[in-house]
Amino acid sequence: TQLLEQSPQFLSIQEGENLTVYCNSSSVFSSLQWYRQEPGEGPVLLVTVVTGGEVKKLKRLTFQFGDARKDSSLHITAAQPGDTGLYLCAGANYGQNFVFGPGTRLSVLP
Amino acid sequence: KAGVTQTPRYLIKTRGQQVTLSCSPISGHRSVSWYQQTPGQGLQFLFEYFSETQRNKGNFPGRFSGRQFSNSRSEMNVSTLELGDSALYLCASSLAARGEQFFGPGTRLTVL
Repeated sequence: TQLLEQSPQFLSIQEGENLTVYCNSSSVFSSLQWYRQEPGEGPVLLVTVVTGGEVKKLKRLTFQFGDARKDSSLHITAAQPGDTGLYLCAGANYGQNFVFGPGTRLSVLP
Repeated sequence: KAGVTQTPRYLIKTRGQQVTLSCSPISGHRSVSWYQQTPGQGLQFLFEYFSETQRNKGNFPGRFSGRQFSNSRSEMNVSTLELGDSALYLCASSLAARGEQFFGPGTRLTVL
């Protein structure tokens, strides 16, 4: 069974601070996705990474896929209250369904 | 392009009843996956349908079933509801099987 772990589980920071959240597994994934979910809503896809070592930037968000395709990180620069939410990573492997991590709940205080 | 829609958004049922939830994928998407989300277990995969065929099934009892119609719309059914079935049920559509997934807003099911 493929499992994804995320850390930290909870994070509360002040507006303007930087942060990094992590997604780790002992399994190799063909692709990995990051989502943000707000209360009462479905997850919204932020990015998909497919190549080991790949780095993608989305405004203040930087996503990295590990060289071995077993881990990923999400770095947010100058966090804003609008970044508040549950950040989920999900890994996929050929022929198998997506596996989701438990999420990191981020709170950015004004 | 309209997103994934799910109906109803909220549902309250009692133990022993059954429920049917509906999902309309993004136009042109042929794959629909269903997930159960609870505070304790997180997002857990229920099943995936592609072109009216179930492609994958998660580790849930047979009380949970689904189907997909020729227009790619999907329904899931839960029979003999239990208190533990209270959850947010999410539907995700993708262009191809196990492609990038786009989620609907979910159906919040409460079992009393």
